[in-house]
Amino acid sequence: DTEVTQTPKHLVMGMTNKKSLKCEQHMGHRAMYWYKQKAKKPPELMFVYSYEKLSINESVPSRFSPECPNSSLLNLHLHALQPEDSALYLCASSHSEQGNQPQHFGDGTRLSIL
Amino acid sequence: DQQVKQNSPSLSVQEGRISILNCDYTNSMFDYFLWYKKYPAEGPTFLISISSIKDKNEDGRFTVFLNKSAKHLSLHIVPSQPGDSAVYFCAASASTGGSYIPTFGRGTSLIVHP
Repeated sequence: DTEVTQTPKHLVMGMTNKKSLKCEQHMGHRAMYWYKQKAKKPPELMFVYSYEKLSINESVPSRFSPECPNSSLLNLHLHALQPEDSALYLCASSHSEQGNQPQHFGDGTRLSIL
Repeated sequence: DQQVKQNSPSLSVQEGRISILNCDYTNSMFDYFLWYKKYPAEGPTFLISISSIKDKNEDGRFTVFLNKSAKHLSLHIVPSQPGDSAVYFCAASASTGGSYIPTFGRGTSLIVHP
């Protein structure tokens, strides 16, 4: 069982819909991440939260809006997405932002945009 | 431009033999390297890591070798087992210089035949 829980596992939405992806961890990790992964590609970093504050935004379009309500939760709000946004969205956490801290990944949300 | 390269998209090995997965990097600031394993429909799982002050790190059947002068690392799995069949991602990070978030390679799909 993964220690990082992501919901939902699958999501199909239209381009005008608004939906949210959720991520939860109870390992006391202070860094949380959103990645996007397309087939046969590596995970691409989208956002990093450190101590509940946004520390990195990798020039992600504003139709993706992250939120960190508390140290255990990370949300990704979606609005007016495009078909090319269809991908696997992975959440991860680590003790801190330092690169020598292994990341713990959730199983992802498979997102399809119609 | 890819800073972390896994040039073999796939590798097929017989059970009991050694699997060698390779990874090359271009950023000389990288000083910490990680390997992740990913099964279908699951998120990546941390496997093993190595700091640039070492040239070898071993954990059970898994050994990672680092050749800093060649900017090359490899993951050895011996003996290989069918349960090792997965996609293996190499990742690299820097403790200074702004690249402390790991950069992932494209992955190598390992198939271990019984």
